[in-house]
Amino acid sequence: EDKVVQSPLSLVVHEGDTVTLNCSYEVTNFRSLLWYKQEKKAPTFLFMLTSSGIEKKSGRLSSILDKKELFSILNITATQTGDSAVYLCAVYQGGSEKLVFGKGTKLTVNP
Amino acid sequence: DTGVSQDPRHKITKRGQNVTFRCDPISEHNRLYWYRQTLGQGPEFLTYFQNEAQLEKSRLLSDRFSAERPKGSFSTLEIQRTEQGDSAMYLCASSTRPLGASAPNYGYTFGSGTRLTVV
Repeated sequence: EDKVVQSPLSLVVHEGDTVTLNCSYEVTNFRSLLWYKQEKKAPTFLFMLTSSGIEKKSGRLSSILDKKELFSILNITATQTGDSAVYLCAVYQGGSEKLVFGKGTKLTVNP
Repeated sequence: DTGVSQDPRHKITKRGQNVTFRCDPISEHNRLYWYRQTLGQGPEFLTYFQNEAQLEKSRLLSDRFSAERPKGSFSTLEIQRTEQGDSAMYLCASSTRPLGASAPNYGYTFGSGTRLTVV
């Protein structure tokens, strides 16, 4: 069965800390991996990763994919309270238009 | 607002009643998706439309669920004879490109969802 596993499920840090969120996957016909941020309602797109070893960056967020070991990490440096959210990892499989999501990591950044 | 719009935002219904949700995608988006998200879980795929054609359905979409996109614009998701297990957030998303398309900023655009509570 296809699965996407995120860890940790929950994380509490202080402002300024650096965090690393993990996503491992076991899916058939892997094509790409996506990260989303979900604050209250709609997930918002962060990154799409297709190739191994190429880091994607956006401000304080960065992500990288390892297709050999079947995982991805999302790094957030110098965290701010506005980073508090659930971070979702999803995998796109070829032959389908669906995304398979993990359960998410709930990040809480305290002032 | 040019985002994906969902209506209603919240719905409380008694077990056994029928409910219908509406999704208005971004106007130029021909692809539309429905997902269900329960507490503490990631979204789970329900179904996908390209224009008015329903091209993919999950096994999660039981006989009590039906989705339509009659004119290739807005979509409706109906749940008949609701059960308590149907309580969830129902998310709609839209896009212009297939997931396999290469684009640096690709991603579905999600709506804010309809939260269903079955009592």
